[in-house]
Amino acid sequence: EAQVTQNPRYLITVTGKKLTVTCSQNMNHEYMSWYRQDPGLGLRQIYYSMNVEVTDKGDVPEGYKVSRKEKRNFPLILESPSPNQTSLYFCASRTGGGPGETQYFGPGTRLLVL
Amino acid sequence: RKEVEQDPGPFNVPEGATVAFNCTYSNSASQSFFWYRQDCRKEPKLLMSVYSSGNEDGRFTAQLNRASQYISLLIRDSKLSDSATYLCVVPYGGFKTIFGAGTRLFVKA
Repeated sequence: EAQVTQNPRYLITVTGKKLTVTCSQNMNHEYMSWYRQDPGLGLRQIYYSMNVEVTDKGDVPEGYKVSRKEKRNFPLILESPSPNQTSLYFCASRTGGGPGETQYFGPGTRLLVL
Repeated sequence: RKEVEQDPGPFNVPEGATVAFNCTYSNSASQSFFWYRQDCRKEPKLLMSVYSSGNEDGRFTAQLNRASQYISLLIRDSKLSDSATYLCVVPYGGFKTIFGAGTRLFVKA
């Protein structure tokens, strides 16, 4: 089954404790992206990756890091989480054919930073 | 002007009604547009793509007005199951994607 998986699905942590949210896709997509969703603001792009070892900042990259060492995986790293990073996070992937391609989303990760 | 702007609603309509949402965008160079549906903070899922003047899929019609820089989504014969948040999505350049904040729809029996 074609899918995007994220782990963990729910996470409660404390300020400053490093965490990683994993994302994996089995569709051989070149392009992957991370979004956060907050009430009234919609989804905002954090980082995206066009292929292995190629990443770039989205609209809200501050406080986040990513890596793309393998095509299928695109982890999101919060080196020192803060309460304003409490949010719902989605990973997405699509083929790299162009902006017109459909994005497929993971189920989301709900993060609470105390 | 926001890059992508939607009326947040909520739209409360009875079953069987026709409802329309608008979405305005600021980047005149955008060539493709999307409507995604999102249920109760679950992952967004593609509803329709719009590449030219419009697209129709059953009860759903999406239209594009490039001159005025807006796209619309029309839902005919609303069902209870259409209750969701509808997200307007506009790619900006090759890989940057801007989502609208979403329009909430409640369909009542």
